[in-house]
Amino acid sequence: QQQVKQSPQSLIVQKGGISIINCAYENTAFDYFPWYQQFPGKGPALLIAIRPDVSEKKEGRFTISFNKSAKQFSLHIMDSQPGDSATYFCAASKRNTGKLIFGQGTTLQVKP
Amino acid sequence: EAGVVQSPRYKIIEKKQPVAFWCNPISGHNTLYWYLQNLGQGPELLIRYENEEAVDDSQLPKDRFSAERLKGVDSTLKIQPAELGDSAVYLCASSLESGFEYEQYFGPGTRLTVT
Repeated sequence: QQQVKQSPQSLIVQKGGISIINCAYENTAFDYFPWYQQFPGKGPALLIAIRPDVSEKKEGRFTISFNKSAKQFSLHIMDSQPGDSATYFCAASKRNTGKLIFGQGTTLQVKP
Repeated sequence: EAGVVQSPRYKIIEKKQPVAFWCNPISGHNTLYWYLQNLGQGPELLIRYENEEAVDDSQLPKDRFSAERLKGVDSTLKIQPAELGDSAVYLCASSLESGFEYEQYFGPGTRLTVT
């Protein structure tokens, strides 16, 4: 019940295209859903996050869509750029625990 | 502002040897986390500190792993003795306080190879 399942494992997108990464969770007590971006040799960095009281959050080219009834959320990267090539992790957390449960990660390659 | 500092960045040891990792969090951050990241996987929390107190160490294998955060600032994670399966990246993170509204900032990690 603590798992967060992420797909796809890897993704190749052309420059300018839309990258979509999906995550599903089981624990209905989760109430915070961040996405992290990780470059090789670096630690994960927070990209964007959403709470379940909204269905969508947009920051620049990055959008989280959240479906509470389906217990799913996704990251959309619009106008994908080669600099977006990295590994992306979704995560979930319960209020005030500070404990992030991460998905398995998606390696994104954006081709020029 | 300096980020989370970890050292060493890389460590190669033989199995059964001890090893220690050091973390200096962002100044003023009360909460410190140690995560384990296996190759191709997401990070997994090992232990969380609020100031000097370990408030969540349920995932820390206490038979061989230990951690301390003296004076509520720097922290050290130790493995003794190391096993082949401990090869991974050990990430340290810090946040101003506990709770989802406080962003966790990660360090670059220490890559451990046990031979």
